[in-house]
This record gives sequence, structure tokens and C-alpha cells, in this order.
Amino acid sequence: QKEVEQDPGPLSVPEGAIVSLNCTYSNSAFQYFMWYRQYSRKGPELLMYTYSSGNKEDGRFTAQVDKSSKYISLFIRDSQPSDSATYLCAMRKMAGTALIFGKGTTLSVSS
Amino acid sequence: EAGVAQSPRYKIIEKRQSVAFWCNPISGHATLYWYQQILGQGPKLLIQFQNNGVVDDSQLPKDRFSAERLKGVDSTLKIQPAKLEDSAVYLCASSFGDSQETQYFGPGTRLLVL
Repeated sequence: QKEVEQDPGPLSVPEGAIVSLNCTYSNSAFQYFMWYRQYSRKGPELLMYTYSSGNKEDGRFTAQVDKSSKYISLFIRDSQPSDSATYLCAMRKMAGTALIFGKGTTLSVSS
Repeated sequence: EAGVAQSPRYKIIEKRQSVAFWCNPISGHATLYWYQQILGQGPKLLIQFQNNGVVDDSQLPKDRFSAERLKGVDSTLKIQPAKLEDSAVYLCASSFGDSQETQYFGPGTRLLVL
């Protein structure tokens, strides 16, 4: 079993839709949870950062962490064509340690 | 603020040849990472430096991969000899090394081994 599981999609939605992306993980030692967005032929860029359980909101993006279920989610409201990218979840056990990434989910938002 | 710089952006080589990649992190970032991202996969850490010292190289195939960060600033990653399965994007990332430790990624070097 991989440490981090993420459905690669692809996921196609119309503009304005609410998008739900998620990852599951097996290692209960993970404490820091991140979502990165990666456009084609670019490096990943950090979208959301959460420590431990709970919700975090930033504009149209909401990240949720449920440590009891070992499940994290990213919600995108009012999705835009510019949101079309690959979304990678990432997590780590302690500050200063390596990030463990999911495979990434490819999202396409059509206008 | 300038981002993480990497070169070359693309490289095509034949198997058994050698190749080197270069990374210049964001100014002031003490921690530097090299990741390998195979098509359809998430990035996987190869090596982590704190200044010019190695913190984690547990997943680096040391029989063929080497990396250095001699002056604690820029870094090179070398593959010698390359195998077909080394075809991937090699991403460099850097961070301040503080408790939050946001990692900033460069655009990557896309390697194709024929």
C-alpha cells in the first residue's frame, strides 16, 4: 500500500462547478498537509497548507484534513478554466522532512 | 523576488551517457531539494541539503546518481550512466528551512533517455 493515494482522474467539469479533490494516507505520523497546483511543463506551486486537522479557506479554495479518517480534501468553488491543472496532495511528518506526494489529479475546467 | 532557476530545461541523451543538471535556489534559502517526477506520478525526493550538508539521501540511487552543493548555494545533480528508467522531470525546490518550510519549486529539467 502506497503511503499516499490519490485518484489521477482525469476530472472534467464545466466552468462554475464545485470541484472536490481528495487523498487518503496510511501513515498516522503525517502532521503537515499541503496541496500543490502544477500547470503543464511547470513546477508545482503551493496552494494550501494545513497543520494537523481542521479546515482552511483561501478565496475559492478550502482545504480539509480529517486525521481520524486519514483523509484530506481540496474544494474549489466557482471553478474557472484557469484552474485547469494537475493538483498534487503532499504531506510530511515533521517540519524539515521530505514531502510525500500523491500521484496528482488532472482537472480540466471547460468554459 | 527571483524564483528557483534550473538548467537546462530539456535534455535528450542515450542510455549509458552521463548528464548533469543545475539548480540555483531562491536567495537566502538554506534548504535545497532534488525531486524526480516520472510521468503520471508525484515528485519523489532524491536528496535534501541543509546549507552544504546532506540531510536525506535515502532514496538516491547512489550507484549512478550524485549531487553536491559545495558552497551552500547552487547545486548540481549528476546521473552516470543513465538508464531508460531515468526519463523524468527533475525538480529542484528550496525553502528557508524554518518551521513552516514552504518549498518553492523550479520549472524542472525534462530528461529523455533513449
